[in-house]
Amino acid sequence: GAGVSQSPSNKVTEKGKDVELRCDPISGHTALYWYRQSLGQGLEFLIYFQGNSAPDKSGLPSDRFSAERTGGSVSTLTIQRTQQEDSAVYLCASSSGGQAGGYEQYFGPGTRLTVT
Amino acid sequence: GQSLEQPSEVTAVEGAIVQINCTYQTSGFYGLSWYQQHDGGAPTFLSYNALDGLEETGRFSSFLSRSDSYGYLLLQELQMKDSASYFCAVSSPGGKLIFGQGTELSVKP
Repeated sequence: GAGVSQSPSNKVTEKGKDVELRCDPISGHTALYWYRQSLGQGLEFLIYFQGNSAPDKSGLPSDRFSAERTGGSVSTLTIQRTQQEDSAVYLCASSSGGQAGGYEQYFGPGTRLTVT
Repeated sequence: GQSLEQPSEVTAVEGAIVQINCTYQTSGFYGLSWYQQHDGGAPTFLSYNALDGLEETGRFSSFLSRSDSYGYLLLQELQMKDSASYFCAVSSPGGKLIFGQGTELSVKP
């Protein structure tokens, strides 16, 4: 079946603009995760959804970042008033269960965000 | 807080065996996962240890010692295609993964 998809694959935006990044998880996966990866670095956890609820938003770096998930499926990560330090690859992952079942996550190809 | 440490780079030759170590400090722990990421690609799941001991999956094995907060990934019969970054990650309550900074493995002919 289809894997995790993300759009756009690349986004170049001017500092101060808002951007929306989209994630389509694997059908039936209840858990959805957003991570951020800067060049040559590890993955930084941003937010986690179980269904449409976000029990853990602890990784969102500032109040300019928000995310929602609708219908237990598609998720959107919104960054308002983008800054140059927001430039990174934003990765979405899904898994069939949260709690201890979230260890095997399936990642999308990512959105490369460049803020000029 | 939570932190993981792994070597930044490892180099080995084709056909050899390499071990990538990972030590962690975490306030909540369900298990240790390993992911592989090729340049420009998405991370892909390799292995998971919830209990102490060795898990074997083909050429790859992973080990965990909860008492030592330590694990490793063992890659045998190295192939050129194994050149990639390898990340250890702690599974925390809620299912989120906390990743290490990654180990870049270079396999030489």
